[in-house]
Amino acid sequence: SQKIEQNSEALNIQEGKTATLTCNYTNYSPAYLQWYRQDPGRGPVFLLLIRENEKEKRKERLKVTFDTTLKQSLFHITASQPADSATYLCALNTGGGNKLTFGTGTQLKVEL
Amino acid sequence: DAGVIQSPRHEVTEMGQEVTLRCKPISGHDYLFWYRQTMMRGLELLIYFNNNVPIDDSGMPEDRFSAKMPNASFSTLKIQPSEPRDSAVYFCASSTGTDQETQYFGPGTRLLVL
Repeated sequence: SQKIEQNSEALNIQEGKTATLTCNYTNYSPAYLQWYRQDPGRGPVFLLLIRENEKEKRKERLKVTFDTTLKQSLFHITASQPADSATYLCALNTGGGNKLTFGTGTQLKVEL
Repeated sequence: DAGVIQSPRHEVTEMGQEVTLRCKPISGHDYLFWYRQTMMRGLELLIYFNNNVPIDDSGMPEDRFSAKMPNASFSTLKIQPSEPRDSAVYFCASSTGTDQETQYFGPGTRLLVL
């Protein structure tokens, strides 16, 4: 069966450390993968997109990797801040056009 | 830009009633998506449109759900009759034809069916 798995347990880290979130998938061959941030009571907000032929993408303190052999993406936030506390969702392009399938998300809490 | 606009923001209704959710996409966006989010199932794509035409409705749970896009600036998602298991947050999202991968989400409609 097709699955997208993110760590369902919340990730608590100390301010200034690097947060690493994992997205694993099975039985998909996505052309690209995206990461979104979702705050309570709000809709998801797009952060980064990485294509199947890219290994790594960076944007400011964010870095995402994509390993199509392992079927895994890692999402890193360096020098984390309390304002980074949110739920982070990975999303795979799983069909023609723009069809996205989302993981269930990982809640990140950055403590002082 | 005002972003994606959804109404109502909250809806409480009784089982068996008809519910209509509304969405105004970002002006100039060619794609419109309807999602449902629950704790159990996460964020699920229900249907999406391109240039007002439904492209993929495979996520629509059953015949009680229907969606329309009569013009480029308006879409509705209707549930008739509603059931308690339809309780969820419903999101609308839109994207452009050029930067089509990036989806911009609305604030969502929180639906509670009693």
